[in-house]
Amino acid sequence: AQSVSQHNHHVILSEAASLELGCNYSYGGTVNLFWYVQYPGQHLQLLLKYFSGDPLVKGIKGFEAEFIKSKFSFNLRKPSVQWSDTAEYFCAVNAKDTGRRALTFGSGTRLQVQP
Amino acid sequence: DTGVSQNPRHKITKRGQNVTFRCDPISEHNRLYWYRQTLGQGPEFLTYFQNEAQLEKSRLLSDRFSAERPKGSFSTLEIQRTEQGDSAMYLCASSVTGTSRETQYFGPGTRLLVL
Repeated sequence: AQSVSQHNHHVILSEAASLELGCNYSYGGTVNLFWYVQYPGQHLQLLLKYFSGDPLVKGIKGFEAEFIKSKFSFNLRKPSVQWSDTAEYFCAVNAKDTGRRALTFGSGTRLQVQP
Repeated sequence: DTGVSQNPRHKITKRGQNVTFRCDPISEHNRLYWYRQTLGQGPEFLTYFQNEAQLEKSRLLSDRFSAERPKGSFSTLEIQRTEQGDSAMYLCASSVTGTSRETQYFGPGTRLLVL
């Protein structure tokens, strides 16, 4: 079974600061990786995804994530955050090799961007 | 796409009552997932359907929970004899299978409060 760890539970940044949110997973096989975002009062939205190929993936709103297989990590980054990035961010994984597509989520990171 | 829709958005019930939630997936999405999310946690997988077949159930899905997708379109999740521990956000997601690049799209959720 997979598990996902998001070590930063609550992050507070000022506008224009750089962001990096950690995500580590535990699974011995090949995985698909996702970042979802939940803005206040809204539902979970897909931010970006990794299936294969270039380990650096770009998503919406200037976000990117890098898959480092040797570290079992898929950290989310943004060079300059905006107040509108205030949200909760969830990392998720499923197993590519088993065909099982149910997602395993981390506990989330609440990002607060101060103007 | 009109997106995944869920009804009702909020439900307050008394302990011991039965409740039923509905999920309408994105048109032509043949997979439908149910997740549960409690405060401060990421979503946890409950069950999923491919067309009308229920292919997997989590151990979280006790005997009091039942899900159906009778015609391979909308799905219902029923909780019988609700308990206070059932209070949570119930999320539905849908996807198209047939590729290893399957992506799940989430609905707004049904927030259940059991008094």
